[in-house]
Amino acid sequence: QITLKESGPTLVKPTQTLTLTCTFSGFSLSTSGVGVGWIRQPPGKALEWLALIYWDDDKRYSPSLRSRLTITKDTSKNQVVLTMTNMDPLDTATYYCARRTSRYGMDVWGQGTTVTVSS
Amino acid sequence: EFVLTQSPGTLSLSPGERATLSCRASQSVSSSYLAWYQQKPGQAPRLLIYGASSRATGIPDRFSGSGSGTDFTLTISRLEPEDFAVYYCQQYGTSPQTFGQGTKVEIK
Repeated sequence: QITLKESGPTLVKPTQTLTLTCTFSGFSLSTSGVGVGWIRQPPGKALEWLALIYWDDDKRYSPSLRSRLTITKDTSKNQVVLTMTNMDPLDTATYYCARRTSRYGMDVWGQGTTVTVSS
Repeated sequence: EFVLTQSPGTLSLSPGERATLSCRASQSVSSSYLAWYQQKPGQAPRLLIYGASSRATGIPDRFSGSGSGTDFTLTISRLEPEDFAVYYCQQYGTSPQTFGQGTKVEIK
């Protein structure tokens, strides 16, 4: 069974850095073609693709957020970490991680974690 | 950067009716790397269709996807009560792997 779970703070202050961890099981991020991505969804709005890291450590970012995002992986711990700097109230959203395969796209999602940016 | 435009924004239908959702890409989607997701309130999205037309594991056959290039369609042949939700398309062939803005299928 493949599962992913997001963890991190529920509340951050403006200008702070957000660090989110995706802990997964049931697959390996060493397998060719596999990636883990981050997606967010502001309240009542659409999904927004943020970043993706592949099995070979190739990293891709949303152009509009690239300067603020860093994605890393720890294959031994089955974790992917996303950091987002200079948080703003507009970054308030539910943040999801999901497994990405070349064939299926984002086939398994975490439950999401809600992050509020407020002073 | 790809832009995916979904239409209509909202679809008001009754159970048993057919739903047709459109997703149009600003440029050709490579190798039909087009997926559809269903999202219900308070839940994470669920993969319905990958490769433009293949159903994901466990997805009922009333859901079907079609299209290629820049025009894609998700069809729900007969709406069940549990199908009323928001549907998103996504291209996953080229980064950034953008989503459409969603179509809400609501009960008429």
